[in-house]
Amino acid sequence: AQSVAQPEDQVNVAEGNPLTVKCTYSVSGNPYLFWYVQYPNRGLQFLLKYITGDNLVKGSYGFEAEFNKSQTSFHLKKPSALVSDSALYFCAVRDDYKLSFGAGTTVTVRA
Amino acid sequence: EAGVAQSPRYKIIEKRQSVAFWCNPISGHATLYWYQQILGQGPKLLIQFQNNGVVDDSQLPKDRFSAERLKGVDSTLKIQPAKLEDSAVYLCASSLGYSHNEQFFGPGTRLTVL
Repeated sequence: AQSVAQPEDQVNVAEGNPLTVKCTYSVSGNPYLFWYVQYPNRGLQFLLKYITGDNLVKGSYGFEAEFNKSQTSFHLKKPSALVSDSALYFCAVRDDYKLSFGAGTTVTVRA
Repeated sequence: EAGVAQSPRYKIIEKRQSVAFWCNPISGHATLYWYQQILGQGPKLLIQFQNNGVVDDSQLPKDRFSAERLKGVDSTLKIQPAKLEDSAVYLCASSLGYSHNEQFFGPGTRLTVL
């Protein structure tokens, strides 16, 4: 079965600093990878996906993610974090026709 | 474009009672998903519909959970009887297809079983 791991439960950064949220994956075959964000009392919102092609994927709200096949990683990045980026972030992998999610990383951006 | 609608937003029941959740997906989305999200964990797929047919219900506890999507549009998820461990947020999502299309999520229903 396909799976993803998010090694950090929490990430804390100062506003204006770079933000990285880590994700590693385990798949057989080509990976289809996703990032979602969840704000308090709201559902998950799609940020970006990697299916094939360029290893650097650009998504919503200034986020991007880098697919690294040799390191089996798909880290989410933002060059300059905002306080409003504080939320819960989930990495996911397509497993057959369904998504398998990681446990999530709570991001706190302090002013 | 209207998003995925869910109701109720919150529900508190006692164990052994029954409860039902409703979901209306984005218009035109053929695939509908129900997820269970326990506090501190990522969402776990309970059941997936393609139109009004079930694609995957392998993680649905069928002795107490049931779901239907009779007309291929909106869907209901029922728990009967509820257990304490069913306390979670139940998320509904929809997508155009079940390939690698992104899923759009509703706000969820937070269930507390006492």
